[in-house]
Amino acid sequence: AQSVAQPEDQVNVAEGNPLTVKCTYSVSGNPYLFWYVQYPNRGLQFLLKYITGDNLVKGSYGFEAEFNKSQTSFHLKKPSALVSDSALYFCAVRDGGATNKLIFGTGTLLAVQP
Amino acid sequence: EAGVTQSPTHLIKTRGQQATLRCSPISGHTSVYWYQQALGLGLQFLLWYDEGEERNRGNFPPRFSGRQFPNYSSELNVNALELEDSALYLCASSLGRDSPNSPLHFGNGTRLTVT
Repeated sequence: AQSVAQPEDQVNVAEGNPLTVKCTYSVSGNPYLFWYVQYPNRGLQFLLKYITGDNLVKGSYGFEAEFNKSQTSFHLKKPSALVSDSALYFCAVRDGGATNKLIFGTGTLLAVQP
Repeated sequence: EAGVTQSPTHLIKTRGQQATLRCSPISGHTSVYWYQQALGLGLQFLLWYDEGEERNRGNFPPRFSGRQFPNYSSELNVNALELEDSALYLCASSLGRDSPNSPLHFGNGTRLTVT
């Protein structure tokens, strides 16, 4: 069965510093990996996805993610954090099989201090 | 392009009643997904509809049900409401089941409160 883990409930970073939000996954076939962001009382917004190809995926708002097959990881990164990046971030995996459902991690709260 | 729309925004019900939540997908999307986001429990997959049929359901009791209409909009029904059903219910849409790399696009959710 597919699963995804986000080991950190919260990540704190100072504005202007680089940020990393960690994600590891487990899937039987080829993984389809996604990152989403959620602001308070809102739905999830799609940031980026990995399907195949380059291990470094660029997405919205300056975010990127690095796919590492050997470590089964898909960490979200940004070179310079903004206070407005403070939100809840979700990693998700889909196995592309008959179920087709997207399984989410438990989320990581990113707090960027000015 | 209009996004995924959900109604109502907020819904207050008493225990034992029924709740109906509605969702309109992005134009061109045939798949609709329902998720429950309860406090402290993350996002739990409820249901997936594609081309009018239920394709998969999560680990929820049968009192959670739904349907997808010919125009691909969807309804989620929760019968015999319990206090623990209080949550944010999120609807998402995407291209059909033949496009597993298509991201889900979410609505802003319906906040269901059961008293």
